[in-house]
Amino acid sequence: DGGITQSPKYLFRKEGQNVTLSCEQNLNHDAMYWYRQDPGQGLRLIYYSQIVNDFQKGDIAEGYSVSREKKESFPLTVTSAQKNPTAFYLCASSERTNQFFGPGTRLTVL
Amino acid sequence: AQSVTQLDSQVPVFEEAPVELRCNYSSSVSVYLFWYVQYPNQGLQLLLKYLSGSTLVKGINGFEAEFNKSQTSFHLRKPSVHISDTAEYFCAVSSSPQYNTDKLIFGTGTRLQVFP
Repeated sequence: DGGITQSPKYLFRKEGQNVTLSCEQNLNHDAMYWYRQDPGQGLRLIYYSQIVNDFQKGDIAEGYSVSREKKESFPLTVTSAQKNPTAFYLCASSERTNQFFGPGTRLTVL
Repeated sequence: AQSVTQLDSQVPVFEEAPVELRCNYSSSVSVYLFWYVQYPNQGLQLLLKYLSGSTLVKGINGFEAEFNKSQTSFHLRKPSVHISDTAEYFCAVSSSPQYNTDKLIFGTGTRLQVFP
């Protein structure tokens, strides 16, 4: 089955720690995205990548970093500089107008 | 710049009743419009999209939406809802329809709660 996988499903982090969220797709899509979802705020774009080895900041990139070394993988690192990282994180990939979403990772800072 | 406004944060409705979830957008250029559904602790699933052509768009699960350019609206409707339609619904606009990148700008969501 083609799709997008995100791991882990739940992640707990202590303040001051960096954590990396995994996103893998086997849809052969060039474009990939990371969104953050908070209650009542919808989805906000963190980073996106149109092609391997290239990525751009979205609306809320501060405190986050990404890499795109392979077409199928787009990991997101939440750094200690992100002051309020507790949220639901969604990864997506797209081909033209069709954007597909992974199941999400819920990050909680203890 | 584009923006999306979902006018209702919550919509309660009884089973088998009709429902309309409202969405307005602003943009200085032509847009593509989307409705997504999210069930608890899951990702988003595309319900329907408007790219061009007929302004009435039919989607999955019996949902439909009408694009109204003069009112800059894209309201989602279903004539008879089921308990299983209880979910969060997001309206979105594409900011770059002419390019290969499909950055989406989302509204804040509408929680549809269907009661028996």
